[in-house]
Amino acid sequence: AQSVTQLDSQVPVFEEAPVELRCNYSSSVSVYLFWYVQYPNQGLQLLLKYLSGSTLVKGINGFEAEFNKSQTSFHLRKPSVHISDTAEYFCAVSDRGSARQLTFGSGTQLTVLP
Amino acid sequence: EAGVAQSPRYKIIEKRQSVAFWCNPISGHATLYWYQQILGQGPKLLIQFQNNGVVDDSQLPKDRFSAERLKGVDSTLKIQPAKLEDSAVYLCASTPGGSAGANVLTFGAGSRLTVL
Repeated sequence: AQSVTQLDSQVPVFEEAPVELRCNYSSSVSVYLFWYVQYPNQGLQLLLKYLSGSTLVKGINGFEAEFNKSQTSFHLRKPSVHISDTAEYFCAVSDRGSARQLTFGSGTQLTVLP
Repeated sequence: EAGVAQSPRYKIIEKRQSVAFWCNPISGHATLYWYQQILGQGPKLLIQFQNNGVVDDSQLPKDRFSAERLKGVDSTLKIQPAKLEDSAVYLCASTPGGSAGANVLTFGAGSRLTVL
């Protein structure tokens, strides 16, 4: 079984400032890692994913994340945020077995202030 | 490509009443999931289908929740009788399935249930 911990429930940041949303996971097997974004009253949209290979993964809207196996982390970063980035962000983990179900963290609300 | 369709978007019922949610996945997607997202929490898997068979329903409260995917396409999730703690957004997701690579789930917009 896997678990995901998102260390910050709310992150306020000023527009054009950098941001990092933290995610740590726990698993006894190899995993895939994901970040999803949820805008108000919408479903979840995939931002980026780590499957294998380079530990630095680039996604949509200028976001990137780095997989750190030794620290079991997959932190999300953006060098300069916009008002439109205000949303809830979910880190998720999936095992590499046949079911490959997603286990989500509790989410981080990113609020970009003008 | 059409996305994952869900209905209704919003539903308000009183406790002990019943409710049903419908999901139409992306065409050709073999695997379908129902997730429950309680306010302030991440989505939690309720049930996973592969075509019309159940892969995992270990977290489905079977005394009140039921789900089916009879023809391997559309799916319905039913709650009967509803409790206050069932107030949540019910998300449907689908993926092509298969044995190669990661399953990147595509989510619907969700059905928001309020139980009074």
